[in-house]
Amino acid sequence: ETGVTQSPTHLIKTRGQQVTLRCSSQSGHNTVSWYQQALGQGPQFIFQYYREEENGRGNFPPRFSGLQFPNYSSELNVNALELDDSALYLCASSEGTPSYYEQYFGPGTRLTVT
Amino acid sequence: AQSVAQPEDQVNVAEGNPLTVKCTYSVSGNPYLFWYVQYPNRGLQFLLKYITGDNLVKGSYGFEAEFNKSQTSFHLKKPSALVSDSALYFCAVRVGSSNTGKLIFGQGTTLQVKP
Repeated sequence: ETGVTQSPTHLIKTRGQQVTLRCSSQSGHNTVSWYQQALGQGPQFIFQYYREEENGRGNFPPRFSGLQFPNYSSELNVNALELDDSALYLCASSEGTPSYYEQYFGPGTRLTVT
Repeated sequence: AQSVAQPEDQVNVAEGNPLTVKCTYSVSGNPYLFWYVQYPNRGLQFLLKYITGDNLVKGSYGFEAEFNKSQTSFHLKKPSALVSDSALYFCAVRVGSSNTGKLIFGQGTTLQVKP
């Protein structure tokens, strides 16, 4: 098990609502990335935060936003939920931003939008 | 466009036999390559990575992977499979010059090891 934790484990929301997912990074890690994993698919990169600033973003609309706090924990916020947002949301932390650093993943939050 | 392909949706192998899970990539620039494993209802666990140097990389749980630049492949291997190796395996790539955290994953390969 990694030291990355995520909450909640499961969540059910209604279309149009807003949701906040939380992630605590592994000790000593200052970089957090978020991924969306739809059923039967590989994870898709949403964005990365380094020292409280977003420093990379995938092909996700602006209603996906995030925050990183001084203790390097992070939140993913999704507004105006759509049915297609139903997925496993994974948080990953790493020691820094260089591409050769491996990322350590949390167990994920399963979001269901009805 | 950068991409990763895992050509097999599922690989079946008998316990004790060697296993190979295939991965090919397409990137511009020097690739950093990773393998992760995912057990049911769990996050991804890091297995190994290739950065530079020796083309044969050794990782966790007896897994290894061979980087082949001419074939743009990074196949995962294990000499003797265990039933407990049964899981979903993902290959991923990052481009060397990027600091944006973007891992590009393949679709995943389900490994089934039968007793």
